[in-house]
Amino acid sequence: GAGVSQSPRYKVAKRGQDVALRCDPISGHVSLFWYQQALGQGPEFLTYFQNEAQLDKSGLPSDRFFAERPEGSVSTLKIQRTQQEDSAVYLCASSGSWGLAGERNSYEQYFGPGTRLTVT
Amino acid sequence: AQSVTQLDSHVSVSEGTPVLLRCNYSSSYSPSLFWYVQHPNKGLQLLLKYTSAATLVKGINGFEAEFKKSETSFHLTKPSAHMSDAAEYFCVVRGNFNKFYFGSGTKLNVKP
Repeated sequence: GAGVSQSPRYKVAKRGQDVALRCDPISGHVSLFWYQQALGQGPEFLTYFQNEAQLDKSGLPSDRFFAERPEGSVSTLKIQRTQQEDSAVYLCASSGSWGLAGERNSYEQYFGPGTRLTVT
Repeated sequence: AQSVTQLDSHVSVSEGTPVLLRCNYSSSYSPSLFWYVQHPNKGLQLLLKYTSAATLVKGINGFEAEFKKSETSFHLTKPSAHMSDAAEYFCVVRGNFNKFYFGSGTKLNVKP
C-alpha cells in the first residue's frame, strides 16, 4: 500500500508567519509521530498520537508548536510566529500492527519524506 | 531513560571492503533497537530491527547487526561495501509510548 506522505515538501516562511504541515499516515495505522531534524542532527521526537489522542507532547519546543489529529488519521503540525531556529526538516512517522507488506509489525515506524521548513 | 550513541560521525571505506558503523545504547529495560538509512533528499528507510529474538539480525541490502547486551552495543556491518551504500545511517532505540530516540547519525562515504 501507499506509504506515509507529507505536504508540502518544502516551505519557506518569513519570520513571524504561521505554517501548517500535513501528514497522511499509512491507512489503518493507529500511532503517529512527529520528529524534528535540524541540519546535521538526528531526528528528535516532538509528539505522539494514538488514534486522535495526543498521548505525549513532551518534545514540542515551545507553545508556538501545536499538533492535532482530529479524526485519527491525517495530522497537522502547526507552528505559530515562526522563528529562524524553527528551520529544520519535520518528519512524520506512523506505526501499526501490520507493515507495508502485510507482515506482523514489531514497533516499526514508517517515515514520510519530510517537510523542509526554512524561516527567513 | 533511553539513548543511543553513534561513535563515528563519518566513516569512509573503499568499495568492496567491509563496513562497520558503531552504536552503543542505554536503556532501562530490554531494548528494541533499529538501524535506519537516509539517502539524500529521501525518507528514512528501515534496514533492520532487534526485538529480543535472535541477537544477530539480518537486514536489507546485505546489512546485519549484532546485539551484545554485555557491551550495550548494536553495531551495523556489511561484508562488502557498494557505492549505493553511501548515505547517512541512524541507530535508534525505542522508548516509552514507542517513541524513537535517534543517534546523531554516521555518514558513510564509499570510495571507488
